[in-house]
Amino acid sequence: DAGVTQSPTHLIKTRGQHVTLRCSPISGHKSVSWYQQVLGQGPQFIFQYYEKEERGRGNFPDRFSARQFPNYSSELNVNALLLGDSALYLCASSPPGLAETQYFGPGTRLLVL
Amino acid sequence: QQQVKQSPQSLIVQKGGISIINCAYENTAFDYFPWYQQFPGKGPALLIAIRPDVSEKKEGRFTISFNKSAKQFSLHIMDSQPGDSATYFCAASSSGGGADGLTFGKGTHLIIQP
Repeated sequence: DAGVTQSPTHLIKTRGQHVTLRCSPISGHKSVSWYQQVLGQGPQFIFQYYEKEERGRGNFPDRFSARQFPNYSSELNVNALLLGDSALYLCASSPPGLAETQYFGPGTRLLVL
Repeated sequence: QQQVKQSPQSLIVQKGGISIINCAYENTAFDYFPWYQQFPGKGPALLIAIRPDVSEKKEGRFTISFNKSAKQFSLHIMDSQPGDSATYFCAASSSGGGADGLTFGKGTHLIIQP
């Protein structure tokens, strides 16, 4: 079975630009979570979506937003990019009834110049 | 506020030895404690997880020990192999569908010397 997939794998943007990252969960998983991992640190929780609704949000500014589609894929959007947004953005999906059991994708490496 | 403290930051173990990584948490609402393994350029991979109703869980060479009263848990890797060289993260979450997400430690960079 395919795991969580994310696109693109790498991305370079400049300050002030907007970025959209995409995620497809494991087949049968309806919950998707997004994390930011800065180099040398553990992942930090950004959002969790279930059945197209936001179920949880971490301590991130309103420049960060996300949505989930009817096929359970998800997008993470970041507006007005800052240098500090440079990180690995990870998507994780969870099986039904086990939202805390999270399987991660390979991530999207974002560099903001 | 760091809610999950992980130690050591880095660890070197000889092949065949036991690797031990420790974590401590503060939030008593946490009731799910997974460990993840991450190789460079890859996403974290779920290794093993435990809930507070048991004190130990073993899967192959990996064992989690859990001490609820001390609010600590640890990962033991038996017969450590060079292929185990990676960064390991402990994490924790509370029930309620995981809506608060996983809270991760800062990671342990493990090197297994042949």
